[in-house]
Parts: sequence; structure tokens; C-alpha cells
Amino acid sequence: DAGITQSPRHKVTETGTPVTLRCHQTENHRYMYWYRQDPGHGLRLIHYSYGVKDTDKGEVSDGYSVSRSKTEDFLLTLESATSSQTSVYFCAISEWDRGNGYTFGSGTRLTVV
Amino acid sequence: GENVEQHPSTLSVQEGDSAVIKCTYSDSASNYFPWYKQELGKRPQLIIDIRSNVGEKKDQRIAVTLNKTAKHFSLHITETQPEDSAVYFCAATGGKLTFGQGTILTVHP
Repeated sequence: DAGITQSPRHKVTETGTPVTLRCHQTENHRYMYWYRQDPGHGLRLIHYSYGVKDTDKGEVSDGYSVSRSKTEDFLLTLESATSSQTSVYFCAISEWDRGNGYTFGSGTRLTVV
Repeated sequence: GENVEQHPSTLSVQEGDSAVIKCTYSDSASNYFPWYKQELGKRPQLIIDIRSNVGEKKDQRIAVTLNKTAKHFSLHITETQPEDSAVYFCAATGGKLTFGQGTILTVHP
């Protein structure tokens, strides 16, 4: 497909449990991003990466951590899931950090009960 | 950081009518303004974009206009069709994308 896959596609988890979402790309792009999508808020940036082991916070990073040990994988971890983290999570990749050329994954729908 | 406001939040039109969605941005350093279309259950996909050195861009039935002085940009869809029904997002950036809140467009046959 678009060279970017997210897993799992759907997940239901209990409050207080750790959760890890995976983004995998085959495009060898340098930049990777995690967004969350909520009604009325559009897409909000959680964390991003500009290279292996190089990551930084976005506008809604509290409660989330990320890791990038390989170019192709960008992991998003909710250390202790809360109901406010129920959302659809999108990963995006880009060859440049100028805003253009974003390709989004298919999304992960996470429900915290 | 950048802040993007998008209006309206919902828009309902009859097939064949035009639809206009408007966005404002706060950071005068932003120089790239894409528009994304997201169908139900799908990923956002780029439909058109414009850079700050251009005032207008058109691609078949869709066009985008940019007013740098006023810091606003708009998406225009002409001759709307039912398959145009989706959520549309504007975004602005000089680096990482900041998105508007989205507009749910419904085109009635």
C-alpha cells in the first residue's frame, strides 16, 4: 500500500495498563510522527522523530513516550492508559521536515475502559 | 507555536453547489498550507496544497486561495458530488504540520 503500516488496528485495554502502538515504514523516510485524532480537535501532534534515537515532544505529549531504535519503526507507548487517551492514533512519515510529503498510516483505534 | 482555526465545523450542500471551507493561522513564518480529505474510517489524504509564494492554486474542481496579509486560506470545491462527502482538514507549517479542527462536508444528491 502506502509503505506505512500501523499495528494493531484496533485495541481495547483497561485503565492503568501499558499499551504500545507500532508504526512501521518501508520508505526509509527520516521523519516520523504520531498524531491523535479526536472529534472537534482535528489531528494533534504527540511526538515526532527526526532520526534513529532522535525524538521530540509535540503539543499533547503528556502520558506518552516514544522510541525509535531503527529507521523503519516508531513506537508509541502509553505507560498507564487513561480513558482520556481513548482516540484514533495516526502515524505519518515524511522525507523532509517542511510539512510536505506526509503519508499517513491507516490508524489505530484505541479504547481505554 | 502555530494555531490553526477552521470553519465551519459542518457544511451541508446540494449536489452541484459550491462549498467553501476557511482557515486562519497564527504564525506568520508558516509557508506551506495543505488540505487533507478523510473518508469515514480511512486515513487522511492530501488533495491540494499551496506555498506562501503563491496566491491561488487550482486542480480540476478544487482550488485553494491564500491571503498572507490576513493569514487565512480557503478551500473551494465547485460542482460538488456525493463522493466529495468527507471530513476536510486544513494545516499550516514551517516544519511540522498543525491541523485545523476539521469540517464535515455532506453533499446531498
